[in-house]
Amino acid sequence: SQTIHQWPATLVQPVGSPLSLECTVEGTSNPNLYWYRQAAGRGLQLLFYSVGIGQISSEVPQNLSASRPQDRQFILSSKKLLLSDSGFYLCAQNRDRRTGELFFGEGSRLTVL
Amino acid sequence: AQSVAQPEDQVNVAEGNPLTVKCTYSVSGNPYLFWYVQYPNRGLQFLLKYITGDNLVKGSYGFEAEFNKSQTSFHLKKPSALVSDSALYFCAVRDFGRSGTYKYIFGTGTRLKVLA
Repeated sequence: SQTIHQWPATLVQPVGSPLSLECTVEGTSNPNLYWYRQAAGRGLQLLFYSVGIGQISSEVPQNLSASRPQDRQFILSSKKLLLSDSGFYLCAQNRDRRTGELFFGEGSRLTVL
Repeated sequence: AQSVAQPEDQVNVAEGNPLTVKCTYSVSGNPYLFWYVQYPNRGLQFLLKYITGDNLVKGSYGFEAEFNKSQTSFHLKKPSALVSDSALYFCAVRDFGRSGTYKYIFGTGTRLKVLA
């Protein structure tokens, strides 16, 4: 089975502080990995996706960056958080690149004060 | 670019009644369509997908969806709603991404409330 771990589950940070959200996956190798942000409990915005180690595609220019240092690890970062970075961050993986659905982690809720 | 639209922010239905959550799509080529459900403060759970084949797709928890090419719709349905079906529902479409892979575009979500 595919398992996705997201850490931390909840985070409260002051404006201007750095951020690191971690996503690790189990039960698969060489997955496509995705970061989404959900604001105010509604729509999902695709932030980044990755097809392999060191390969990152960015969807929206913003205050965030992503890295994939290992096959099963996907990290979302910021050097200086903004209030608008608050939201629910979801990591997802797609094991079957041809037709497969996404599997999601349980999310990390970030509140920037 | 591919996209999906969910025209209803919220749908209310009485327990035991049939439910429909609407989704329309805009794609070039053959669409790959998905439905997900999200409970409060949780990740999304996959319900069902349409890739090709029968227009009526059956999924988890008694849900099904009907693919209609002429109306470019992929509505989610269930014959008899349960209070526990109350949640946020997302329609999604697969789009072409960079690096020879795919990305997934989600609708804005529809909140389903099943009333006892």
